[in-house]
Amino acid sequence: KNEVEQSPQNLTAQEGEFITINCSYSVGISALHWLQQHPGGGIVSLFMLSSGKKKHGRLIATINIQEKHSSLHITASHPRDSAVYICAVQEDMRFGAGTRLTVKP
Amino acid sequence: NAGVTQTPKFQVLKTGQSMTLQCAQDMNHEYMSWYRQDPGMGLRLIHYSVGAGITDQGEVPNGYNVSRSTTEDFPLRLLSAAPSQTSVYFCASSYSRDSANEQFFGPGTRLTVL
Repeated sequence: KNEVEQSPQNLTAQEGEFITINCSYSVGISALHWLQQHPGGGIVSLFMLSSGKKKHGRLIATINIQEKHSSLHITASHPRDSAVYICAVQEDMRFGAGTRLTVKP
Repeated sequence: NAGVTQTPKFQVLKTGQSMTLQCAQDMNHEYMSWYRQDPGMGLRLIHYSVGAGITDQGEVPNGYNVSRSTTEDFPLRLLSAAPSQTSVYFCASSYSRDSANEQFFGPGTRLTVL
């Protein structure tokens, strides 16, 4: 069993919809990362958080350390948000398998 | 800054051949790492380095060697390629391993072993 579980595995949305991607982990951590992998393959860091909530534009990430759970929200989704979203926990950098998001116009 | 660079972008090998995947960063980062990404699985850590002259094994080190002679470079060597090593390989760097620092990823190398 992977120590980092993401859901859903695949997500299709219509442009403008509110998106939520979930990440649960089983190990104690000091930080959790959300990454975005573009269709071309490149990986960029979106957020790094150890508590509470962070916001960047239309993206919001939250974490509940006690419940070992984090969520990534996208407001007013757009086709350019189509990508694979990956969560990773800092200790030994364990990664979830990713959530493939497709936003249709 | 170029960030993290990887070469080559694509490579096809025959079983038993050896090769080196190159990784370099110009951000003076101490921590560098290699991951492989396989369909349906998350990125998995192969080897990492917390500074020049220091390397350690990750989750899936078998069949791979690394060295870190300079802060900038962290090459990954496949000594005798096997079809199971067909994957996409990513190099990454960050300021340090212990702190919650942003990781910067290279563009990836797609390797096929026939």
